[in-house]
Amino acid sequence: QSVLTQPPSVSGAPGQRVTISCTGTTSNIGVGYDVNWYQQFPGKVPKLLIHANKNRPSGVPDRFSGSKSGTSASLAISGLQAEDEADYYCQSYDISLSGSYVFGTGTKVTVL
Amino acid sequence: EVLLVESGGGVVRPGGSLRLSCAASGFRFDDYGMTWVRQAPGQGLEWVSGIDWTGGDIKYADSVRGRFTISRDNAKNSLYLLMNSLRVEDTAFYHCARVPGFGGTSSWFDPWGQGTLVTVSS
Repeated sequence: QSVLTQPPSVSGAPGQRVTISCTGTTSNIGVGYDVNWYQQFPGKVPKLLIHANKNRPSGVPDRFSGSKSGTSASLAISGLQAEDEADYYCQSYDISLSGSYVFGTGTKVTVL
Repeated sequence: EVLLVESGGGVVRPGGSLRLSCAASGFRFDDYGMTWVRQAPGQGLEWVSGIDWTGGDIKYADSVRGRFTISRDNAKNSLYLLMNSLRVEDTAFYHCARVPGFGGTSSWFDPWGQGTLVTVSS
């Protein structure tokens, strides 16, 4: 059961900027807990894209950026490329569920 | 190279049990927490359970608490998930992942194993 809400899909033309929202509550993001983002290609394993709201692991292009404000977080993809077409998930910590980790509902990014 | 390899999946009847294993290599296993995340075919990610490096801090999702037991053997660089009272809705790929600082509110999961498929069906 996901407690972080994401739009089911977003799309954009190559070169455009798209953003994916991750809406939480005062039990998770709103408390100040960090948000992490994962990228998953069809049939592949999820890969860490952003950790601690805005930090990119080595090898992740700088066109991916993360931010957080209030009870929400966002992932932005600038200069969208065809290879960015994938599913994206946010993840955080939730204090209401006996202290556990939670994922977002997932967003499919389509490059037009 | 950090490598996580899951095994132990299969087909089981409702009410049955399975034990999953995750073999780790390429890093100092007892420096990290570990976690299990599942993904039903065509569905999103669901966090299942996690354990810190000592085995002393363990957490479960409400959906599996009381039925699943996570454990680790640092001498064998291995993580386990004992699944009892399995339900049809437990059908999913089960991935293990490494967790820097498990238990903290900022923990992330990296990298992930390829996963092992658990199918619960009569």
